[in-house]
Amino acid sequence: DIQMTQSPSSLSASVGDRVTIACRAGQSISRYLNWYQHKPGKAPKLLIYGASTVQSGVPSRFSGSGSGTDFTLTISRLQPEDFATYYCQQSYSPPHTFGQGTKLDIK
Amino acid sequence: EVQLVESGGVVVQPGGSLRLSCAASGFIFDDYMLHWVRHAPGKGLEWVSLISWNGDITYYSDFVKGRFTISRDNSQNSLYLHMTSLRTEDTALYYCAKGLSSSGWGGYDYWGQGTQVTVSS
Repeated sequence: DIQMTQSPSSLSASVGDRVTIACRAGQSISRYLNWYQHKPGKAPKLLIYGASTVQSGVPSRFSGSGSGTDFTLTISRLQPEDFATYYCQQSYSPPHTFGQGTKLDIK
Repeated sequence: EVQLVESGGVVVQPGGSLRLSCAASGFIFDDYMLHWVRHAPGKGLEWVSLISWNGDITYYSDFVKGRFTISRDNSQNSLYLHMTSLRTEDTALYYCAKGLSSSGWGGYDYWGQGTQVTVSS
């Protein structure tokens, strides 16, 4: 199984800040890396797939980069609605493991 | 509009069995890989299982292998998860999700609202 490790596990930031979340895969996964946003009581939302492709309808302040084993999610200017938990996921080979999550809250 | 609606979650005793269902609409059902993902209280998202567009290929996480069975009925636009030998650690909100493609590429673009499974005596 491919282990996915996110850092940090939690992050405090202010509206307008730029934040970056890292995700590392235990082996090369090419660009089969996806990012999700999850808010309490709601279904997870796909933000980025293929490491850097922004899903339709997702604001342009979200971006992703990386390939192989190291990836990042960047939110360029935090908005109030962005405070949530973020997960990376590899879909290179089953099981499609998730990272442990990064909880982003308001400073 | 794509919709995924899960059902079947209940309170069940350890060792019991349960079948979850996911009714899909708004897309060509048999064009896509489908998935089950769970979220236990205080924990992160955990991938459970996937099934190929025609049901020929299935995979399971180590936590559920041998106890859970994923299936689909393309004539009914429905996805299922048959759960047996349930354990307290299976307590979670279970989501069904649609793959962005027929392969693993692209992640999961639509999710249901989840159905709650509670395993407790």
